[in-house]
Amino acid sequence: AQSVTQLDSHVSVSEGTPVLLRCNYSSSYSPSLFWYVQHPNKGLQLLLKYTSAATLVKGINGFEAEFKKSETSFHLTKPSAHMSDAAEYFCVVGSSDSWGKLQFGAGTQVVVTP
Amino acid sequence: ETGVTQSPTHLIKTRGQQVTLRCSSQSGHNTVSWYQQALGQGPQFIFQYYREEENGRGNFPPRFSGLQFPNYSSELNVNALELDDSALYLCASSTEGLAKYEQYFGPGTRLTVT
Repeated sequence: AQSVTQLDSHVSVSEGTPVLLRCNYSSSYSPSLFWYVQHPNKGLQLLLKYTSAATLVKGINGFEAEFKKSETSFHLTKPSAHMSDAAEYFCVVGSSDSWGKLQFGAGTQVVVTP
Repeated sequence: ETGVTQSPTHLIKTRGQQVTLRCSSQSGHNTVSWYQQALGQGPQFIFQYYREEENGRGNFPPRFSGLQFPNYSSELNVNALELDDSALYLCASSTEGLAKYEQYFGPGTRLTVT
């Protein structure tokens, strides 16, 4: 079975400083990994995806994530936080079955202070 | 290109009642997945529909059922509502094959059971 663990339930950063959201995965095969963002009262939006191509993945809004097989990690980073980055972030692994079930982590709430 | 839409936005029901939630998939998408997101948690996979058939199911009881129509829109039905069914219900559409994990989410239906 596949699973993801988000290591921080809350992260608080100052505007203009780097953001780091940590995610470890567990999978018996080469996983498909994703980061989704959820703004208040909005649906989930795909930030980026890793599907066994380049290990450094660039996404929207300046976010990127690095797949590290040796550490079973897929951490999300952004060099400079913006107020609009305040949201809930989910690390997600795709199931190995044929129907594309997504397995979500518990989420990390990001607060950005001026 | 029309995104995923869901109706209603909010719903309040009494324990024991039945509810139907609706989802229209994104143009060109033939697969619909439903997720339940309890407060403060990540979304949990309920089931997926492909070509009007249930294609996979998560750990939810049979009182959670669904339909998919020829135009690929979908319904989620929940019978004998329980207080723990209070959650945000998310619908996601996608295509099959290599793009199965690229799921586009609607804004959700907030269900409150009293």
